[in-house]
Amino acid sequence: QSALTQPRSVSGSPGQSVTISCTGTDGDVGGYNYVSWYQQHPGKAPKLLIYDVSERPSGVPDRFSGSKSGNTASLTVSGLQADDEADYYCCAYAGSYTRVFGGGTKLTVL
Amino acid sequence: EVQLVESGGGLVQPGRSLRLSCAASGFTFDDYAMHWVRQAPGKGLEWVSGISWNSASIGYADSVKGRFTISRDNAENTLYLQMNGLRPEDMALYYCAKGLRDAFDVWGHGTTVTVSS
Repeated sequence: QSALTQPRSVSGSPGQSVTISCTGTDGDVGGYNYVSWYQQHPGKAPKLLIYDVSERPSGVPDRFSGSKSGNTASLTVSGLQADDEADYYCCAYAGSYTRVFGGGTKLTVL
Repeated sequence: EVQLVESGGGLVQPGRSLRLSCAASGFTFDDYAMHWVRQAPGKGLEWVSGISWNSASIGYADSVKGRFTISRDNAENTLYLQMNGLRPEDMALYYCAKGLRDAFDVWGHGTTVTVSS
């Protein structure tokens, strides 16, 4: 169970789009269509943004979208807003009823 | 309102035990898998353990396997995490989370576990 690999930080200006990658292996990201993404503001509990690679829970704006190719999943945030500045984590099913998170990415809105 | 409230955290010496609880309300508890996720101070999220709705499927992170035990009481709408042999590296904020498909759609506010002599 090695953590999924995410960039430590990404940044963008308001209105722009940014993409956060999440790289795993055939045993987790590449093996199942069970990748989820979370947003966490400082001092707050994480919030689910994307599940099943690309599905959005009700209430999550369509500015947030997910995709996957091979062993790498991606979260794209379009039309950046100041409130999007937060930490973002990916998570994947890793078999035998286990899950693994990525190390997290800090998104800075310039 | 869907709500998860964790309790049971505190200060404990290395090697000792602690049991965390998570009281669920606002949804049909026994319809959903439940999970524990932790976050060490200043660090990222780490999945700890998960249990299916009927306790038939259970999983643990390698870092806690053999020391932690997850369980649930569907009659009491409560999730538990029995933590034995605690180590300094187990010190973290422990979140309880409700499963949605294979994700975690509702989170509690967490309970803090401090391991120190």
